[in-house]
Amino acid sequence: DAKTTQPPSMDCAEGRAANLPCNHSTISGNEYVYWYRQIHSQGPQYIIHGLKNNETNEMASLIITEDRKSSTLILPHATLRDTAVYYCIVRSLNYGGSQGNLIFGKGTKLSVKP
Amino acid sequence: DGGITQSPKYLFRKEGQNVTLSCEQNLNHDAMYWYRQDPGQGLRLIYYSQIVNDFQKGDIAEGYSVSREKKESFPLTVTSAQKNPTAFYLCASISHSYNEQFFGPGTRLTVL
Repeated sequence: DAKTTQPPSMDCAEGRAANLPCNHSTISGNEYVYWYRQIHSQGPQYIIHGLKNNETNEMASLIITEDRKSSTLILPHATLRDTAVYYCIVRSLNYGGSQGNLIFGKGTKLSVKP
Repeated sequence: DGGITQSPKYLFRKEGQNVTLSCEQNLNHDAMYWYRQDPGQGLRLIYYSQIVNDFQKGDIAEGYSVSREKKESFPLTVTSAQKNPTAFYLCASISHSYNEQFFGPGTRLTVL
């Protein structure tokens, strides 16, 4: 079972910031928070990941709470092309065994509207 | 350009037939994965391989088989034992530094 909880859907106006929440209250110390997105009928695309510090790249920002029990993915200026399902995943860095596998839940369907 | 290729993009098969889905990567990644996705659902892990000639079952391996004879290739066979094979199948790989997982474009399998 997925270790994260996300709202099933969200809307965002084009040009505005999209803030996607994720709850991961059972996260352990060696687990990172990863975000992927999947545009309809395509393979998922990596967005960003982090451990405890906030992270930013060219696609998005990731804000992780101090207790690490929740996080928020921020798309600063959403466009119509950002309409997709966004998956929040917690994952161990243990390369051996299955702990490092990604476990995808149902994600949040983000609809960016003109 | 480096990446993961899956073929074919669409596949139709008759009930009772085995079918093999191709997955090739030129990223020099060690680990490769197969996932299944049903409409409106997340991805479920079928099989994974962390090294050549070795692979492990995921959460829903029944009715599927894989091989890993080369680092670049991880084909998935959907056997007639798989009761409900119609789905979107995704292949992925990850480097030993274990950060970003790359996904292929997927194969949509329909059983007629």
